[in-house]
Amino acid sequence: EPEVTQTPSHQVTQMGQEVILRCVPISNHLYFYWYRQILGQKVEFLVSFYNNEISEKSEIFDDQFSVERPDGSNFTLKIRSTKLEDSAMYFCASRPQGLGSPLHFGNGTRLTVT
Amino acid sequence: GQQLNQSPQSMFIQEGEDVSMNCTSSSIFNTWLWYKQDPGEGPVLLIALYKAGELTSNGRLTAQFGITRKDSFLNISASIPSDVGIYFCAGLGGNTPLVFGKGTRLSVIA
Repeated sequence: EPEVTQTPSHQVTQMGQEVILRCVPISNHLYFYWYRQILGQKVEFLVSFYNNEISEKSEIFDDQFSVERPDGSNFTLKIRSTKLEDSAMYFCASRPQGLGSPLHFGNGTRLTVT
Repeated sequence: GQQLNQSPQSMFIQEGEDVSMNCTSSSIFNTWLWYKQDPGEGPVLLIALYKAGELTSNGRLTAQFGITRKDSFLNISASIPSDVGIYFCAGLGGNTPLVFGKGTRLSVIA
């Protein structure tokens, strides 16, 4: 069964550094998402992406965050100037066309900011 | 923003027991989803519900979309050790992104 793949599985970075988290969504999916989960807490929406542009973003997704689909397969989340509180699991998700079609999640990237 | 209230927060049950958890919201949703998350992994879709009143099963799991469209429950029958994990409800509104509940942590004692 096709799946969403994310790399790396774990990223450690120093405060103030930039990180890029990578995702390969399921190939025939059209909607892409990033979610964040701080340890022990619920999964929180960051941003949705469709047709090569952001369709919605949460208040967490401020100017330090950006997303890009640089080619036909990858979907990236960039965090500029990381802060300690950015430490979390970051999940990429995708879904096909179709109202209400469920999201399929990757296994996440654990980001640790020291 | 939309909020989902999921309960219970955690459960400790004996193997073989049935489990029930639920989610409520002050907002109406068009789709209810139930996910399971194992440690260190991403949420895995268990059941998707698309119509008010819909009752759907997936093996030992049964979920229902409340008729008010503001709630959903998930039942697990005859629990086994591999049912251990965190179960999240999630709701999709008209044009709003998927919103998650805070999760129910299930522990199964053999």
